[in-house]
Amino acid sequence: ETGVTQTPRHLVMGMTNKKSLKCEQHLGHNAMYWYKQSAKKPLELMFVYNFKEQTENNSVPSRFSPECPNSSHLFLHLHTLQPEDSALYLCASSQADRDRGDTQYFGPGTRLTVL
Amino acid sequence: AQKVTQAQTEISVVEKEDVTLDCVYETRDTTYYLFWYKQPPSGELVFLIRRNSFDEQNEISGRYSWNFQKSTSSFNFTITASQVVDSAVYFCALSPSFSGNTPLVFGKGTRLSVIA
Repeated sequence: ETGVTQTPRHLVMGMTNKKSLKCEQHLGHNAMYWYKQSAKKPLELMFVYNFKEQTENNSVPSRFSPECPNSSHLFLHLHTLQPEDSALYLCASSQADRDRGDTQYFGPGTRLTVL
Repeated sequence: AQKVTQAQTEISVVEKEDVTLDCVYETRDTTYYLFWYKQPPSGELVFLIRRNSFDEQNEISGRYSWNFQKSTSSFNFTITASQVVDSAVYFCALSPSFSGNTPLVFGKGTRLSVIA
């Protein structure tokens, strides 16, 4: 199994739907991240989980709800999204290590389209 | 505040040419890490290299080389004899002084197109 997996790879949803994105890491890391990548915009950090505890919420609207049941799994629950939320959602994981720094390894992303 | 600037938005080269992608960073930290990632059309960000701020030695890995210069706050990336498979968006990133699982600060990326 490759390092960081994400499902689904593509998702089309209406504005009234509820869906969830899933991320799983097989690297034994202790931190997981959600990023949003919109067309022609830089990568935006959304959430950080460290040992299952949310350590950062980068002013993300409440229609995005993260969940981290354990250090290997991360979810992003979506409800009543807007068309401008259409983007590539990337999950990453890292192992906090003072000597080796914080190298994040990314999953393939979920391409989300909101109609 | 931390900031990463990749001034080149898009670069287009002919196969076998050498190409350098520029990265300039800003940080007040004395200890930090710099990274390069590659994002091919498939979307996944692929980790290429991490450099500790105390290690200014240049690094070469096959056709890839990196030039880290603290004096100019730059961490440039050169691809020698470019190939079509090198076509991707390349991101430079900075990890501020280590204090836990610190989020990366990314540049806006440089889109490289290698034409056969």
